[in-house]
Amino acid sequence: KQEVTQIPAALSVPEGENLVLNCSFTDSAIYNLQWFRQDPGKGLTSLLLIQSSQREQTSGRLNASLDKSSGRSTLYIAASQPGDSATYLCAVTPGNTGKLIFGQGTTLQVKP
Amino acid sequence: EPEVTQTPSHQVTQMGQEVILRCVPISNHLYFYWYRQILGQKVEFLVSFYNNEISEKSEIFDDQFSVERPDGSNFTLKIRSTKLEDSAMYFCASSYTGYTSTDTQYFGPGTRLTVL
Repeated sequence: KQEVTQIPAALSVPEGENLVLNCSFTDSAIYNLQWFRQDPGKGLTSLLLIQSSQREQTSGRLNASLDKSSGRSTLYIAASQPGDSATYLCAVTPGNTGKLIFGQGTTLQVKP
Repeated sequence: EPEVTQTPSHQVTQMGQEVILRCVPISNHLYFYWYRQILGQKVEFLVSFYNNEISEKSEIFDDQFSVERPDGSNFTLKIRSTKLEDSAMYFCASSYTGYTSTDTQYFGPGTRLTVL
């Protein structure tokens, strides 16, 4: 059974710092991996999607990497800003289904 | 930008009552999903729906749950007889395709269901 784990559960950093969020999954048979952002009282917003054949994806200050063989992904946020404060969720799509399996998230606080 | 909408934003009900949660997916999307998130826990997949039938469902999605696309725009989740443990945030999502490695799901803002 696929399990997704995110470390750390919470992170507090000063503005401007670069940071890394970690995600691990137990079964390497995935179709893709996605990183989402969740703001309090709001839905989930997709940040980056990495196909199983890819190693990384970049969008602005965000860079996500994927190492399928080791079952790991990282989300790198450069030059963090207070507006980046949110919960970041990692989710995998098991082979050939649309179902998403989520980690428990990392709650990030960026202090001005 | 097109978005998924959900109503109501908050629903309070008594245990044993039926509730219907409503979603309007993005108009040209073909695949629809329900997820739930119990407070403090992971977001969990409930069901996926395509071409007017369930594509996949989780073990959570038992006989108390049903989904329907009653018209060309709405997608509903019905819980027949609510239990205390059904209290959660319910998210609807949609995607243009469901079985591609390049697709992403767009989520609605959620309906918070509180069962008393």
